Amino acid sequence: AQRVTQPEKLLSVFKGAPVELKCNYSYSGSPELFWYVQYSRQRLQLLLRHISRESIKGFTADLNKGETSFHLKKPFAQEEDSAMYYCALRGATNKLIFGTGTLLAVQP
Amino acid sequence: DSGVTQTPKHLITATGQRVTLRCSPRSGDLSVYWYQQSLDQGLQFLIQYYNGEERAKGNILERFSAQQFPDLHSELNLSSLELGDSALYFCASSVLDRGHTEAFFGQGTRLTVV
Repeated sequence: AQRVTQPEKLLSVFKGAPVELKCNYSYSGSPELFWYVQYSRQRLQLLLRHISRESIKGFTADLNKGETSFHLKKPFAQEEDSAMYYCALRGATNKLIFGTGTLLAVQP
Repeated sequence: DSGVTQTPKHLITATGQRVTLRCSPRSGDLSVYWYQQSLDQGLQFLIQYYNGEERAKGNILERFSAQQFPDLHSELNLSSLELGDSALYFCASSVLDRGHTEAFFGQGTRLTVV
């Protein structure tokens, strides 16, 4: 079964501190993994996908198949990073499954 | 603006009633997804369509149904509504229904059942 787990509902850090939003997945095949972000009063939007292997707004995420993880990282948090972050997985069934989300609060 | 339009934005209705939520995908997108977001549940995948055909089903109740029309817009029908159906319902669309295709989300419809 496809499953995405984001163990932290809330992550609070100070501006300039490193950030790591955890995401673990359960899937027997080769998944496509994504991070979506929802800023206050805005729609969910794609932040990055593992296939791109790029850095967006300073965020990176590496797929670790051994640990079945796709953690989102940023070395220095900014106040404008405060948002809800969702990890998502698409498997062979084509379902796009989301985790429960982590609210990142960056304190000044 | 993602190009995905959901109507209505807000809906208040009584228990036992039936409502229809509408989604217009981005121009050119063939795939439509429906999600339910309630407190502590995150985004629960309900159902997915591609070019008019049902592609994948999630935890969708039997009281709920959906369809995608020839013009590619989609409707989610919720019947025999219960208080617990109160939630934010999101629609998303994408060009394809597989791989690393990005999904574009609408603003959601907030349903309140009283």
